[in-house]
Amino acid sequence: ILNVEQSPQSLHVQEGDSTNFTCSFPSSNFYALHWYRWETAKSPEALFVMTLNGDEKKKGRISATLNTKEGYSYLYIKGSQPEDSATYLCAFLFSGYALNFGKGTSLLVTP
Amino acid sequence: EPEVTQTPSHQVTQMGQEVILRCVPISNHLYFYWYRQILGQKVEFLVSFYNNEISEKSEIFDDQFSVERPDGSNFTLKIRSTKLEDSAMYFCASRLDRSGELFFGEGSRLTVL
Repeated sequence: ILNVEQSPQSLHVQEGDSTNFTCSFPSSNFYALHWYRWETAKSPEALFVMTLNGDEKKKGRISATLNTKEGYSYLYIKGSQPEDSATYLCAFLFSGYALNFGKGTSLLVTP
Repeated sequence: EPEVTQTPSHQVTQMGQEVILRCVPISNHLYFYWYRQILGQKVEFLVSFYNNEISEKSEIFDDQFSVERPDGSNFTLKIRSTKLEDSAMYFCASRLDRSGELFFGEGSRLTVL
């Protein structure tokens, strides 16, 4: 199993703050990188699927970048809101069929 | 909106008993997965299923585990003889193609006593 590392493990910010987290993955045999948002008592939902080095994707206030050569992806949230509170999972597909997940970054946004 | 559904939402069983967890993936999806999350740990891959056969499995997916898609809609995970350490949230997921996003069910919480 190739390890996916996420940092920080948890984050507590005030409403309105911008924040970012990191996902590190093995840079060899890269196929795709996924970001998922997981709210308590719900199932993980896909935010982004990224495949190309230099990719940058955006959905509302959330954006992500990808560097496949050095093996990292950043997720940015601009102007965090309490409803952004969730665990953000990064998952790496290097070949085959299985996505390997990181442990996630748990974000808490307080008013 | 189409969704992945799982049953039961919670099952409590005695050690050594057989358990079957059921999933109905999104109807036009071709790739099916089981993942699990032990409390406080990361989401772990168990098995993927494509074209009516296992396409990949992790070392967790030993002989105690099996999957099948008996009727073209349900996708089941069977644990033959449960152990305490099988207690976890089990997630079913599906996707249309190999590069696409996963759609997860809401999970089945298994508690082995």
